[in-house]
Amino acid sequence: EVQLVESGGVVVQSGGSLRLSCVGSGFNFDDYTMHWVRQAPGKGLEWVSLVTWDGGSTSYSDSVKGRFSISRDNSQNSLYLQMNNLKTEDTAFYYCAKDGVSLSESWSWGQGTLVTVSS
Amino acid sequence: NFMLTQPHSVSESPGKTVTISCTRSSGNIASNYVQWFQQRPGSSPTTVIYEDNQRPSGVPDRFSGSIDRSSNSASLTISGLETEDEADYYCQSFDSSITVFGGGTKVTVL
Repeated sequence: EVQLVESGGVVVQSGGSLRLSCVGSGFNFDDYTMHWVRQAPGKGLEWVSLVTWDGGSTSYSDSVKGRFSISRDNSQNSLYLQMNNLKTEDTAFYYCAKDGVSLSESWSWGQGTLVTVSS
Repeated sequence: NFMLTQPHSVSESPGKTVTISCTRSSGNIASNYVQWFQQRPGSSPTTVIYEDNQRPSGVPDRFSGSIDRSSNSASLTISGLETEDEADYYCQSFDSSITVFGGGTKVTVL
């Protein structure tokens, strides 16, 4: 069974930094592109960032470019999101997701971790 | 970058059929696969359709997906509507390493 478990969400002050983690199990972690997707309370899903299977390519939404950095450690089946210069509008549930499209599989999602940025 | 536009909400009675559209603002809808995610209140999203029209195991065949090149849109159809189908539904696609989600459609079962 595919499992994705996020951690690291806390309350942080505006301008602060935070690192989120996501551990995957039940699949070959290093075969898949991985994403971070966020959802502000009561709002829709917003894509944040992706990293390819080998970490060789990353991409970011305009709203986080230059402030967030995605990385992965395939030896630890882990995905990370380093979040710097946090703003109140970054307050959201952050989900990691396994992108199976390149292998003709469906996306799988974690349960999410809540980041609250206070002013 | 492109946008995916969905209706804000749809509602229908149990046993009926609803169709949710997802219109791509630029670029060809058929150039990149479309996924559909269901999110029930208080839960993480789950996939109901991937690669335009494929259902993951465990998803009832009441759910189907399609692409319409003429309108540059994708659609999710839920037939035989059940109360458990009440949820938010999001379409998703990508282009040039950018992933885009639609704004979401709330499905209400009357």
